[in-house]
Amino acid sequence: GGIITQTPKFLIGQEGQKLTLKCQQNFNHDTMYWYRQDSGKGLRLIYYSITENDLQKGDLSEGYDASREKKSSFSLTVTSAQKNEMAVFLCASSMTFSNERLFFGHGTKLSVL
Amino acid sequence: GQQVQQSPASLVLQEGENAELQCNFSTSLNSMQWFYQRPEGSLVSLFYNPSGTKQSGRLTSTTVIKERRSSLHISSSQITDSGTYLCAFSQGGSAKLIFGEGTKLTVSS
Repeated sequence: GGIITQTPKFLIGQEGQKLTLKCQQNFNHDTMYWYRQDSGKGLRLIYYSITENDLQKGDLSEGYDASREKKSSFSLTVTSAQKNEMAVFLCASSMTFSNERLFFGHGTKLSVL
Repeated sequence: GQQVQQSPASLVLQEGENAELQCNFSTSLNSMQWFYQRPEGSLVSLFYNPSGTKQSGRLTSTTVIKERRSSLHISSSQITDSGTYLCAFSQGGSAKLIFGEGTKLTVSS
């Protein structure tokens, strides 16, 4: 088995601040994803990386940057936090891009003051 | 509009009662999945690419891909079943999942 570790678990930021969320997986999976979940809503895809050194925009990429530093890690940056923003950011991985079985981390809860 | 409709949005049950959750898709799909999201936020895959009827313990998934619908039946619900149940689908053989908004289940004693 493997595990996906997201850090930090809770993130409190100030309006306009640049914030970075990190994700590590030890499945040796090729593909990694960042999803955003607003309260009472489904997940929306922000960025994904098909393989190491690849970066693809999802439906919600505006306001975010991402970086696939190595196969096992995928970071997400909120470029300018919005006041009163609250959401959960979930990282996931799959064996390959065509293998649709996703494994998720526990999430990072973001609050912006 | 919403590509995935889940119903009901929320459901409150007494322990021991059964639950039936529905997921309908407005577009053709390659495959779909059911996830359970714990109250603290983590997601667990329940059924991956089911077709027809599949059972795992007290959970039964019934999916008809060509009719773009799937249901999740929970029998003899327990307090620990409380949480949100999400369905998601993918198109074209990629793992870019599109999620519904979920059904929030609360089971009380």
